[in-house]
Amino acid sequence: AQTVTQSQPEMSVQEAETVTLSCTYDTSESDYYLFWYKQPPSRQMILVIRQEAYKQQNATENRFSVNFQKAAKSFSLKISDSQLGDAAMYFCAYRSQGGSEKLVFGKGTKLTVNP
Amino acid sequence: NAGVTQTPKFRILKIGQSMTLQCAQDMNHNYMYWYRQDPGMGLKLIYYSVGAGITDKGEVPNGYNVSRSTTEDFPLRLELAAPSQTSVYFCASSSGYRNSPLHFGNGTRLTVT
Repeated sequence: AQTVTQSQPEMSVQEAETVTLSCTYDTSESDYYLFWYKQPPSRQMILVIRQEAYKQQNATENRFSVNFQKAAKSFSLKISDSQLGDAAMYFCAYRSQGGSEKLVFGKGTKLTVNP
Repeated sequence: NAGVTQTPKFRILKIGQSMTLQCAQDMNHNYMYWYRQDPGMGLKLIYYSVGAGITDKGEVPNGYNVSRSTTEDFPLRLELAAPSQTSVYFCASSSGYRNSPLHFGNGTRLTVT
């Protein structure tokens, strides 16, 4: 079974600076998908960014980008120009290609943004 | 667009009581899921469904039941509630196409005392 590990329970960053959240995963599959979700205090789960394993190019969504290292099974999230609204729990998730499409989540990283 | 709608938002149950958490989606998604979120533990899959009439167990199914009689609805039944079922419950749906994400409801906070 696949597992997802987020080794940083908590991180903090100064407003306008850059922070990187780590995620590693364990799989024997060659084709899969990776996601980062944001959960603010409102409890809502919000998709931040996604990456297909067959794509070598790292995904980017505005101030959010990933560093996908397939061989190392690493999928880190970089947040540039951090804003107060970025404060939230961030979850890394893995999904196999095909089958039930269910996500396997890491335990999350709580990000604090200091003004 | 309503997306995924969960009811209720909050509920307090006494030990041994039963209840049904409702989930409905209006995106015509075939895939639906129930997750529970405990503090510091991420989200764990309880049950999932790949289409009407088809359900399967996830990682933590004990104490729960589901049904999927329509594409839109995927209720989660708790029988004989226990304190260990105190959690936040999320319903989600997906189209199942390649990198399509899960769309989540806003969650139900359940307390069993």
